[in-house]
Amino acid sequence: GAGVSQSPSNKVTEKGKDVELRCDPISGHTALYWYRQSLGQGLEFLIYFQGNSAPDKSGLPSDRFSAERTGGSVSTLTIQRTQQEDSAVYLCASRRETRNTEAFFGQGTRLTVV
Amino acid sequence: AQSVTQLDSQVPVFEEAPVELRCNYSSSVSVYLFWYVQYPNQGLQLLLKYLSGSTLVKGINGFEAEFNKSQTSFHLRKPSVHISDTAEYFCAVSLPGYSTLTFGKGTMLLVSP
Repeated sequence: GAGVSQSPSNKVTEKGKDVELRCDPISGHTALYWYRQSLGQGLEFLIYFQGNSAPDKSGLPSDRFSAERTGGSVSTLTIQRTQQEDSAVYLCASRRETRNTEAFFGQGTRLTVV
Repeated sequence: AQSVTQLDSQVPVFEEAPVELRCNYSSSVSVYLFWYVQYPNQGLQLLLKYLSGSTLVKGINGFEAEFNKSQTSFHLRKPSVHISDTAEYFCAVSLPGYSTLTFGKGTMLLVSP
């Protein structure tokens, strides 16, 4: 596609429910990243995919968070048993190759847990 | 592991004034450095990047940044800002051979008439 696409753009969920956030990277981009953006906290790294594997998942805050990537393309970030502190904007980015190329960001999914 | 510090959370400035947004990083090895901008209700887009070579890097919208290895800094500058430059600016670092981009907490640039 023309850019990184994330869906939904907004999600309101009740505490305790599971949510799935989707990211469609730019076609041909092998690297995919998930970040969480909270007010005053900047961008918090969650997980990085190279192809379908995740060499670095060190940023996932708890075992309620998981992510997968299939076909070297679409990625899904799943949050189980959501808590109010999970409320944030979740950003996805992709890169054509690793390291020194530009990362392109999606518009993000604003998650609100009530 | 690398880290990035953006010393100012907010920088207020008048239109047509110069501005400098500060960024310092920590790393024991060479790094790649980036500045991204996030306009209100939009995603992040790249302003400029330093990979190697000339320490003065020019980006879009009249912004430039200077890499200073001895001071481990990568400050962003613009000689004359516009109202439309109001946005949040993020500094990021990446290590050669290591693919994660580490971001600072961001600096909100507020340009007023």
